[in-house]
Amino acid sequence: GAGVSQSPRYKVAKRGQDVALRCDPISGHVSLFWYQQALGQGPEFLTYFQNEAQLDKSGLPSDRFFAERPEGSVSTLKIQRTQQEDSAVYLCASSLGGNYDGYTFGSGTRLTVV
Amino acid sequence: GQQLNQSPQSMFIQEGEDVSMNCTSSSIFNTWLWYKQDPGEGPVLLIALYKAGELTSNGRLTAQFGITRKDSFLNISASIPSDVGIYFCAGRGIGGGSNYKLTFGKGTLLTVNP
Repeated sequence: GAGVSQSPRYKVAKRGQDVALRCDPISGHVSLFWYQQALGQGPEFLTYFQNEAQLDKSGLPSDRFFAERPEGSVSTLKIQRTQQEDSAVYLCASSLGGNYDGYTFGSGTRLTVV
Repeated sequence: GQQLNQSPQSMFIQEGEDVSMNCTSSSIFNTWLWYKQDPGEGPVLLIALYKAGELTSNGRLTAQFGITRKDSFLNISASIPSDVGIYFCAGRGIGGGSNYKLTFGKGTLLTVNP
């Protein structure tokens, strides 16, 4: 498709369960970003990939969060042993290269941990 | 994580009225961006500002990059029902991870009564 695709759109996880969130960026986009948006807040940076290289993971809240982009296209954000404070919308964005203003965000995955 | 100070938090206006919202930061930014987010969707870029003092328009939207580089405002003129949504400011610095990482405000929820 023409946009950034994220799946699933909604995920309900029991506390302690592992989850995997998928992002399909726009074809050919080199840069890929993950942001976390808590209810009533703006998005907060989690991590940044350039092709398959994870250049910045400074925003990941804990070592339970792990992201990968093994072939430089699709990315997966994995959260292990989910906790209630992990409940949020997880947004993926991609951009063609150095034009970071050209971020295109996906619609996000809403994660609810019960 | 750091978030910008955005005000007001919410606005209820009549169709046809003008709207103004602003954003301040304790840090200097080299780029200010304004986004709109509809329910269940990711943020969409409205306006990007690159120079202190810059005033930029996009249709009924006008935004300015403050002289101190620590603030920005967005005006919407002659509001229409489809302007409803959450508006976010975002700043981008320079150096290190700052040239790709966006710091967002908490958002302004705009409701337009027809």
